[in-house]
Amino acid sequence: GAGVSQSPSNKVTEKGKDVELRCDPISGHTALYWYRQSLGQGLEFLIYFQGNSAPDKSGLPSDRFSAERTGGSVSTLTIQRTQQEDSAVYLCASSLVDRGREETQYFGPGTRLLVL
Amino acid sequence: AQSVTQLDSHVSVSEGTPVLLRCNYSSSYSPSLFWYVQHPNKGLQLLLKYTSAATLVKGINGFEAEFKKSETSFHLTKPSAHMSDAAEYFCVVLRTYKYIFGTGTRLKVLA
Repeated sequence: GAGVSQSPSNKVTEKGKDVELRCDPISGHTALYWYRQSLGQGLEFLIYFQGNSAPDKSGLPSDRFSAERTGGSVSTLTIQRTQQEDSAVYLCASSLVDRGREETQYFGPGTRLLVL
Repeated sequence: AQSVTQLDSHVSVSEGTPVLLRCNYSSSYSPSLFWYVQHPNKGLQLLLKYTSAATLVKGINGFEAEFKKSETSFHLTKPSAHMSDAAEYFCVVLRTYKYIFGTGTRLKVLA
Protein backbone atom coordinates (compact mmCIF):
# COMPACT_ATOMS: atom_id res chain seq x y z
CA GLY A 1 0.00 0.00 0.00
CA ALA A 2 0.93 3.66 -0.15
CA GLY A 3 3.44 4.94 2.34
CA VAL A 4 3.74 8.33 3.98
CA SER A 5 3.95 11.07 1.41
CA GLN A 6 5.22 14.60 1.81
CA SER A 7 5.12 17.67 -0.37
CA PRO A 8 6.91 19.53 -1.67
CA SER A 9 10.04 17.40 -1.86
CA ASN A 10 12.17 20.53 -2.05
CA LYS A 11 11.42 24.11 -1.10
CA VAL A 12 13.61 27.15 -1.52
CA THR A 13 12.40 30.34 0.10
CA GLU A 14 13.66 33.73 1.07
CA LYS A 15 14.31 34.71 4.65
CA GLY A 16 11.19 36.17 6.21
CA LYS A 17 8.69 34.32 4.04
CA ASP A 18 6.20 31.76 5.36
CA VAL A 19 6.24 28.15 4.20
CA GLU A 20 3.80 25.26 4.49
CA LEU A 21 4.88 21.64 4.41
CA ARG A 22 2.36 18.89 3.91
CA CYS A 23 2.23 15.30 5.14
CA ASP A 24 -0.16 12.53 4.09
CA PRO A 25 0.10 9.65 6.56
CA ILE A 26 -0.55 6.00 5.87
CA SER A 27 -4.27 5.38 5.74
CA GLY A 28 -5.57 4.16 9.09
CA HIS A 29 -2.62 5.44 11.11
CA THR A 30 -3.90 7.57 13.94
CA ALA A 31 -0.56 8.88 15.17
CA LEU A 32 1.43 11.43 13.19
CA TYR A 33 4.83 12.94 13.98
CA TRP A 34 7.04 15.67 12.61
CA TYR A 35 10.81 15.57 12.98
CA ARG A 36 13.58 17.81 11.74
CA GLN A 37 16.92 16.63 10.45
CA SER A 38 19.63 19.26 10.30
CA LEU A 39 23.40 19.37 10.28
CA GLY A 40 24.72 19.68 13.77
CA GLN A 41 21.38 18.89 15.41
CA GLY A 42 20.71 15.43 14.06
CA LEU A 43 17.12 14.23 14.10
CA GLU A 44 14.85 15.97 16.56
CA PHE A 45 11.22 15.58 17.48
CA LEU A 46 8.95 18.51 16.71
CA ILE A 47 5.30 17.62 17.27
CA TYR A 48 2.98 14.63 17.78
CA PHE A 49 -0.70 14.16 16.96
CA GLN A 50 -2.76 11.22 18.20
CA GLY A 51 -6.44 10.96 17.39
CA ASN A 52 -8.46 13.71 19.01
CA SER A 53 -5.99 14.32 21.82
CA ALA A 54 -4.23 17.64 22.22
CA PRO A 55 -0.99 17.54 20.24
CA ASP A 56 2.38 17.40 21.97
CA LYS A 57 4.11 20.52 20.71
CA SER A 58 7.02 20.32 23.10
CA GLY A 59 9.61 19.95 20.34
CA LEU A 60 8.69 23.02 18.32
CA PRO A 61 11.76 25.30 18.43
CA SER A 62 9.92 28.63 18.44
CA ASP A 63 6.48 30.18 18.13
CA ARG A 64 7.16 30.68 14.43
CA PHE A 65 6.46 26.96 14.04
CA SER A 66 2.95 25.54 14.12
CA ALA A 67 1.21 22.45 12.84
CA GLU A 68 -2.28 21.22 12.40
CA ARG A 69 -3.91 17.99 11.45
CA THR A 70 -7.24 18.20 9.70
CA GLY A 71 -9.79 15.41 9.92
CA GLY A 72 -7.33 13.14 11.66
CA SER A 73 -5.37 12.63 8.46
CA VAL A 74 -3.36 15.20 6.53
CA SER A 75 -1.04 17.45 8.50
CA THR A 76 0.51 20.79 7.64
CA LEU A 77 3.61 22.20 9.28
CA THR A 78 3.86 25.96 8.94
CA ILE A 79 6.96 28.03 9.51
CA GLN A 80 6.40 31.77 9.66
CA ARG A 81 9.04 34.38 8.96
CA THR A 82 11.58 31.76 8.02
CA GLN A 83 15.18 32.13 9.14
CA GLN A 84 18.30 30.59 7.66
CA GLU A 85 18.63 28.28 10.64
CA ASP A 86 15.30 26.73 9.65
CA SER A 87 17.03 25.12 6.67
CA ALA A 88 16.74 21.37 7.21
CA VAL A 89 14.94 18.26 6.09
CA TYR A 90 11.51 17.99 7.67
CA LEU A 91 10.36 14.42 8.11
CA CYS A 92 6.88 13.20 8.78
CA ALA A 93 6.04 9.78 10.20
CA SER A 94 2.88 7.92 11.08
CA SER A 95 2.05 4.87 13.14
CA LEU A 96 -0.78 2.72 14.40
CA VAL A 97 -1.72 2.83 18.05
CA ASP A 98 -2.44 -0.63 19.42
CA ARG A 99 -3.88 -0.95 22.94
CA GLY A 100 -2.60 2.48 23.81
CA ARG A 101 0.90 1.76 22.60
CA GLU A 102 2.43 3.36 19.57
CA GLU A 103 3.72 0.92 17.02
CA THR A 104 6.55 1.33 14.56
CA GLN A 105 6.82 4.73 12.90
CA TYR A 106 6.94 4.86 9.12
CA PHE A 107 8.67 7.85 7.59
CA GLY A 108 8.00 9.89 4.51
CA PRO A 109 10.78 10.98 2.15
CA GLY A 110 10.99 14.40 3.75
CA THR A 111 10.84 17.99 2.55
CA ARG A 112 14.20 19.64 2.07
CA LEU A 113 13.85 23.30 3.02
CA LEU A 114 16.45 25.87 2.10
CA VAL A 115 16.09 29.42 3.39
CA LEU A 116 18.20 31.93 1.52
CA ALA B 1 15.31 9.36 30.53
CA GLN B 2 15.87 7.09 27.60
CA SER B 3 18.67 7.88 25.18
CA VAL B 4 20.98 6.12 22.75
CA THR B 5 24.65 6.58 21.97
CA GLN B 6 26.13 5.53 18.67
CA LEU B 7 29.78 5.02 19.34
CA ASP B 8 31.11 5.54 15.83
CA SER B 9 30.23 8.40 13.53
CA HIS B 10 31.90 6.68 10.55
CA VAL B 11 32.64 3.03 9.80
CA SER B 12 34.45 1.72 6.72
CA VAL B 13 34.46 -1.94 5.70
CA SER B 14 35.46 -3.84 2.61
CA GLU B 15 32.79 -5.49 0.54
CA GLY B 16 32.20 -9.03 1.74
CA THR B 17 33.49 -8.41 5.27
CA PRO B 18 31.37 -8.20 8.44
CA VAL B 19 29.65 -5.04 9.58
CA LEU B 20 29.35 -3.94 13.21
CA LEU B 21 27.59 -0.70 14.11
CA ARG B 22 27.53 -0.04 17.82
CA CYS B 23 24.73 1.38 19.91
CA ASN B 24 24.35 1.70 23.66
CA TYR B 25 21.13 2.72 25.29
CA SER B 26 20.15 4.29 28.54
CA SER B 27 16.79 3.35 29.98
CA SER B 28 15.29 2.73 33.36
CA TYR B 29 13.21 -0.15 32.04
CA SER B 30 13.13 -2.51 29.09
CA PRO B 31 13.09 -0.21 26.09
CA SER B 32 11.78 -0.51 22.56
CA LEU B 33 14.78 -0.14 20.26
CA PHE B 34 15.03 0.25 16.51
CA TRP B 35 17.58 0.53 13.76
CA TYR B 36 16.78 2.64 10.74
CA VAL B 37 18.77 3.16 7.55
CA GLN B 38 18.83 6.29 5.43
CA HIS B 39 20.26 6.17 1.94
CA PRO B 40 21.36 9.46 0.35
CA ASN B 41 18.40 11.73 -0.36
CA LYS B 42 16.00 9.03 0.77
CA GLY B 43 13.69 8.64 3.74
CA LEU B 44 14.28 6.52 6.81
CA GLN B 45 13.65 2.82 6.39
CA LEU B 46 13.12 0.44 9.29
CA LEU B 47 15.73 -2.31 9.44
CA LEU B 48 14.59 -4.05 12.61
CA LYS B 49 13.08 -3.51 16.04
CA TYR B 50 13.33 -4.97 19.52
CA THR B 51 10.25 -4.97 21.73
CA SER B 52 11.17 -7.41 24.52
CA ALA B 53 10.39 -10.64 22.68
CA ALA B 54 13.52 -12.38 21.34
CA THR B 55 16.84 -10.76 22.20
CA LEU B 56 18.29 -11.58 18.78
CA VAL B 57 16.34 -9.66 16.19
CA LYS B 58 16.58 -10.34 12.49
CA GLY B 59 15.85 -7.55 10.06
CA ILE B 60 15.83 -6.89 6.38
CA ASN B 61 18.78 -7.16 4.00
CA GLY B 62 20.61 -9.65 6.21
CA PHE B 63 20.99 -7.33 9.19
CA GLU B 64 20.45 -8.42 12.76
CA ALA B 65 20.90 -6.95 16.22
CA GLU B 66 21.22 -8.43 19.67
CA PHE B 67 19.75 -6.84 22.76
CA LYS B 68 22.14 -7.28 25.69
CA LYS B 69 20.70 -5.95 28.90
CA SER B 70 23.88 -6.59 30.90
CA GLU B 71 25.83 -4.40 28.49
CA THR B 72 22.97 -2.00 27.66
CA SER B 73 23.83 -2.54 24.01
CA PHE B 74 21.94 -3.10 20.79
CA HIS B 75 24.63 -3.46 18.17
CA LEU B 76 23.76 -3.95 14.51
CA THR B 77 25.61 -6.60 12.53
CA LYS B 78 25.73 -8.14 9.10
CA PRO B 79 27.98 -11.05 8.12
CA SER B 80 28.96 -9.74 4.71
CA ALA B 81 28.76 -6.14 3.54
CA HIS B 82 27.41 -5.24 0.15
CA MET B 83 28.05 -2.04 -1.77
CA SER B 84 24.37 -1.18 -1.46
CA ASP B 85 24.70 -1.11 2.34
CA ALA B 86 26.53 2.21 2.16
CA ALA B 87 24.23 4.61 3.99
CA GLU B 88 23.64 6.27 7.34
CA TYR B 89 22.30 4.14 10.16
CA PHE B 90 20.37 5.39 13.16
CA CYS B 91 19.79 3.64 16.46
CA VAL B 92 16.52 4.78 18.01
CA VAL B 93 14.85 4.36 21.38
CA LEU B 94 11.15 4.93 21.89
CA ARG B 95 10.38 7.27 24.78
CA THR B 96 6.63 7.19 25.42
CA TYR B 97 5.68 7.93 21.81
CA LYS B 98 8.69 9.96 20.68
CA TYR B 99 11.62 8.54 18.85
CA ILE B 100 14.96 9.56 20.35
CA PHE B 101 17.61 9.22 17.68
CA GLY B 102 21.27 8.50 18.00
CA THR B 103 23.64 10.75 16.11
CA GLY B 104 24.01 8.25 13.28
CA THR B 105 26.79 6.11 11.85
CA ARG B 106 27.80 6.58 8.26
CA LEU B 107 28.79 3.24 6.73
CA LYS B 108 31.19 3.23 3.83
CA VAL B 109 31.71 0.02 1.85
CA LEU B 110 34.95 -0.27 -0.08
CA ALA B 111 35.20 -2.31 -3.26
